Amino acid sequence: DTGVSQDPRHKITKRGQNVTFRCDPISEHNRLYWYRQTLGQGPEFLTYFQNEAQLEKSRLLSDRFSAERPKGSFSTLEIQRTEQGDSAMYLCASSLTYRVELRDNNEQFFGPGTRLTVL
Amino acid sequence: RKEVEQDPGPFNVPEGATVAFNCTYSNSASQSFFWYRQDCRKEPKLLMSVYSSGNEDGRFTAQLNRASQYISLLIRDSKLSDSATYLCVVNLASGGSYIPTFGRGTSLIVHP
Repeated sequence: DTGVSQDPRHKITKRGQNVTFRCDPISEHNRLYWYRQTLGQGPEFLTYFQNEAQLEKSRLLSDRFSAERPKGSFSTLEIQRTEQGDSAMYLCASSLTYRVELRDNNEQFFGPGTRLTVL
Repeated sequence: RKEVEQDPGPFNVPEGATVAFNCTYSNSASQSFFWYRQDCRKEPKLLMSVYSSGNEDGRFTAQLNRASQYISLLIRDSKLSDSATYLCVVNLASGGSYIPTFGRGTSLIVHP
């Protein structure tokens, strides 16, 4: 299977603990995105990388959240001092993005997500 | 006002019906528009990109109306298997770059 993979699929933690999630994108894809999704809502953008550079980060994102993509391949998302409000599905997506007539073609392919429960 | 808005539904339609969803966006400088499908407890899957000239893929037709700032998805001859949540995505202009922004999704239930 050459799709996007995420690990772990489920994580239960206690409030105040740190958690780290991993995403392996489709190998030739240059962009990698992180989203958070709660019940009844669409995915909420967190951040994205173009190769190893983090290009955008949501203004709503707490400084407890940090993401890396050190070699432009896999990425990690860390949440420090977790809170109950962090409970959500964390989705990773990748795309092979290129520019066509000043428009980014970024069809994204999603991984299965990591479901985080903070007790 | 949310940046990307969808009617959450649910849209409850019989098999064979034609159903249409709209998605409005706030920023006229937005570029790149997509429809995704999400089944319960699954990840979103790309359904189709939306081009300025409109595009069709089998029973699915997507259109973009830049003047009124919305995109639409039309599903003809609905099947039971079309039951899902349909998410629109707009690359919203934000300080020199574009942020992929999802609507909350529209739920479709196709019944026999």
